[in-house]
Amino acid sequence: EAGVVQSPRYKIIEKKQPVAFWCNPISGHNTLYWYLQNLGQGPELLIRYENEEAVDDSQLPKDRFSAERLKGVDSTLKIQPAELGDSAVYLCASSLGRVRGETQYFGPGTRLLVL
Amino acid sequence: AQSVTQLDSQVPVFEEAPVELRCNYSSSVSVYLFWYVQYPNQGLQLLLKYLSGSTLVKGINGFEAEFNKSQTSFHLRKPSVHISDTAEYFCAVSERNQGGKLIFGQGTELSVKP
Repeated sequence: EAGVVQSPRYKIIEKKQPVAFWCNPISGHNTLYWYLQNLGQGPELLIRYENEEAVDDSQLPKDRFSAERLKGVDSTLKIQPAELGDSAVYLCASSLGRVRGETQYFGPGTRLLVL
Repeated sequence: AQSVTQLDSQVPVFEEAPVELRCNYSSSVSVYLFWYVQYPNQGLQLLLKYLSGSTLVKGINGFEAEFNKSQTSFHLRKPSVHISDTAEYFCAVSERNQGGKLIFGQGTELSVKP
């Protein structure tokens, strides 16, 4: 069974440029998460989707970040414009979305470097 | 608000020695507890989790953890480590009465030396 797929794996951009990350969750997983992982830190939740609905986006900096999950499957996270401080790893995770305490499965992440 | 503290940022250990990675949490409500491992340039992989029942939880790769409610701890242990256990380990919690938001600790870098 394929795991969570993310692309690109690495991205280098100039500050003020836009950037987008794509995530394909495990088939049949209704819940999708985007996490931000700064160097030397644990991941922090940015947004959580239940199917196509964003049910927790309280930690998403909405002035420059946006996300969508069309048709409740793939998801895209966008930053516009990017700032130096956005350099980090962006992790996507998915889970079945049926019970509390269920396992979240993580993708390999997209490593962003803003110059 | 919940928080997770991993008491050691780095743990060096020799191969075949035992290891304990410490995790304490703070929460005003009941929580689920998790340990994840992250190998270089890879995503996080679940080692084990505590939902309810027996406080001693066994996971993959020979790891186990014990939930101690009075001390609000969930320490991870392995009796004999291998070189391949070298990785970053994250402790995490989520509230029982909410959706799956995980709150992670800062991580512990386990370095196993020959």
